[in-house]
Amino acid sequence: EAGVAQSPRYKIIEKRQSVAFWCNPISGHATLYWYQQILGQGPKLLIQFQNNGVVDDSQLPKDRFSAERLKGVDSTLKIQPAKLEDSAVYLCASSPDRAQPGELFFGEGSRLTVL
Amino acid sequence: SQQGEEDPQALSIQEGENATMNCSYKTSINNLQWYRQNSGRGLVHLILIRSNEREKHSGRLRVTLDTSKKSSSLLITASRAADTASYFCASQTGANNLFFGTGTRLTVIP
Repeated sequence: EAGVAQSPRYKIIEKRQSVAFWCNPISGHATLYWYQQILGQGPKLLIQFQNNGVVDDSQLPKDRFSAERLKGVDSTLKIQPAKLEDSAVYLCASSPDRAQPGELFFGEGSRLTVL
Repeated sequence: SQQGEEDPQALSIQEGENATMNCSYKTSINNLQWYRQNSGRGLVHLILIRSNEREKHSGRLRVTLDTSKKSSSLLITASRAADTASYFCASQTGANNLFFGTGTRLTVIP
């Protein structure tokens, strides 16, 4: 079974530029999450999708971050304009069924450096 | 913040010794999970303990949960150099969100 795919693995941009990250969850997984992990810290939830609907985006900085999950499969996370403090690893995760709490399956992450 | 705290932040032991990591969380939970993260990689699920369970084993891993104290511990027995990684606890609430702790960086010296 293929795992969660993320791209790009690494991205370096100047502040005020924009960036987009892509995630393809495990086939059949209804729930998709984006987490931000700053160096030395635990992952922080940015947004949770159930199929193509947003379940929780309370911690998403909506003035600069946006995310979508068209057709309930792939997802894209965008940052525009980027700030220095956005330097982090952006982790995508998926799980089979929101109604059944259980483990999340994580991708390898996309490491963003903002200069 | 709904994130928990882990203790210690860093732990260095000799191969063959046991490693114990502690976690505290803040809200009522459905379950508590432990994840492992190798440097520069994604998180890998290790074990899940439900709120009505007190202890669970999986291979060399032993997890305990005390809901009255909102705390959990992870014990890795007979550690190996390959166990070197960061370990995170994550509390899962009714909304199925996972809230991660700050992590313990474990170094196992061969």
